[in-house]
Amino acid sequence: GENVEQHPSTLSVQEGDSAVIKCTYSDSASNYFPWYKQELGKGPQLIIDIRSNVGEKKDQRIAVTLNKTAKHFSLHITETQPEDSAVYFCAALYSGGYQKVTFGTGTKLQVIP
Amino acid sequence: DGGITQSPKYLFRKEGQNVTLSCEQNLNHDAMYWYRQDPGQGLRLIYYSQIVNDFQKGDIAEGYSVSREKKESFPLTVTSAQKNPTAFYLCASTDQGRLNTEAFFGQGTRLTVV
Repeated sequence: GENVEQHPSTLSVQEGDSAVIKCTYSDSASNYFPWYKQELGKGPQLIIDIRSNVGEKKDQRIAVTLNKTAKHFSLHITETQPEDSAVYFCAALYSGGYQKVTFGTGTKLQVIP
Repeated sequence: DGGITQSPKYLFRKEGQNVTLSCEQNLNHDAMYWYRQDPGQGLRLIYYSQIVNDFQKGDIAEGYSVSREKKESFPLTVTSAQKNPTAFYLCASTDQGRLNTEAFFGQGTRLTVV
């Protein structure tokens, strides 16, 4: 089955700086890589995703990059703001099939004002 | 609005008691999942179900049980065999077979043993 590793487990940045979270996956068949943000006491919500036929995707201050050869993908947040403080999870799966979604272990991001 | 609903939001259990957490979705999703989250920790898979009347153990199934009698419902029972049940429980669902299989999460149930 799929195995997803996520680093770092905690990350502190100054407001306005960039934050990068990295994930690696093991199953070369995985073709869909979503990222979720979880605020305190709430369920995770999708913030951005990328499919395997794309190397980079951007949505305002958030971008995700994918390297299929190396089997790793990263979340980039630029110009961080205090409201970006949350736990972020990556995931990997083969979409279009019947494989369960596998999550990374999470990164707690703290943006210091 | 379509979504996934967990209830109750807070639940207190006495030692030796079984409790059931509810998860309902109206998204017509085939697959449903239960995760446990401890403070400062990631998501650990308890059980998942890819189709009605079928479910599979996840990584930490001991002390838990589930049923999937209806597509929209996937209740989780925390039995007395679970020795450390205090945690935040999250239910999720996915629409298998789609190109972008986004997972939708409920708002969670916080279970506390008293």
